[in-house]
Amino acid sequence: AQKVTQAQTEISVVEKEDVTLDCVYETRDTTYYLFWYKQPPSGELVFLIRRNSFDEQNEISGRYSWNFQKSTSSFNFTITASQVVDSAVYFCALSPTIYNQGGKLIFGQGTELSVKP
Amino acid sequence: ETGVTQTPRHLVMGMTNKKSLKCEQHLGHNAMYWYKQSAKKPLELMFVYNFKEQTENNSVPSRFSPECPNSSHLFLHLHTLQPEDSALYLCASSLRTEEGDEQFFGPGTRLTVL
Repeated sequence: AQKVTQAQTEISVVEKEDVTLDCVYETRDTTYYLFWYKQPPSGELVFLIRRNSFDEQNEISGRYSWNFQKSTSSFNFTITASQVVDSAVYFCALSPTIYNQGGKLIFGQGTELSVKP
Repeated sequence: ETGVTQTPRHLVMGMTNKKSLKCEQHLGHNAMYWYKQSAKKPLELMFVYNFKEQTENNSVPSRFSPECPNSSHLFLHLHTLQPEDSALYLCASSLRTEEGDEQFFGPGTRLTVL
């Protein structure tokens, strides 16, 4: 089965706190891609990162960092020193390969992050 | 205009109405997608078009009818909708339909069916 689970439905933090959004995936593929998207109140999904299953190196981009662990099928996202502008719904998504049907992205249910001043 | 645009941004329609959603991408991509986002549910892929050809119909009811006249434009024709069809409809595009291709999303059309 191809599935993405984001167990945290809502998270609320105070500005400047660090916050980690969890993502666990299931796939039988040995090659696949993982994504994170941000959906601000305006509605448009904004691409944040893409990861190939062969590249387990963690990545940092400014205040954002991602921890990819194949052993636990997790691809967690951490925001350091959160800001009010980080408030949004964050989606983790899986793009399988062998079982992919035309560019399908399998999304988790999303985590709504609220950063309060 | 840049990126992926969608019109209208908001739409209210009765169950007997016929309306169309429009999506346009200015990225030179060859693949376009329709997604449905309902409250408390993951994004659901509805249709995929690759080089104007429909390559996926994810068991979508026939009251939703897509049209892709060229690689830059995608329509979703709506008729005889039900209240449970109320949702945010998102359009996306990517260079190809290959796994790993980043999809770029439009702002969505918020549809309310009365």
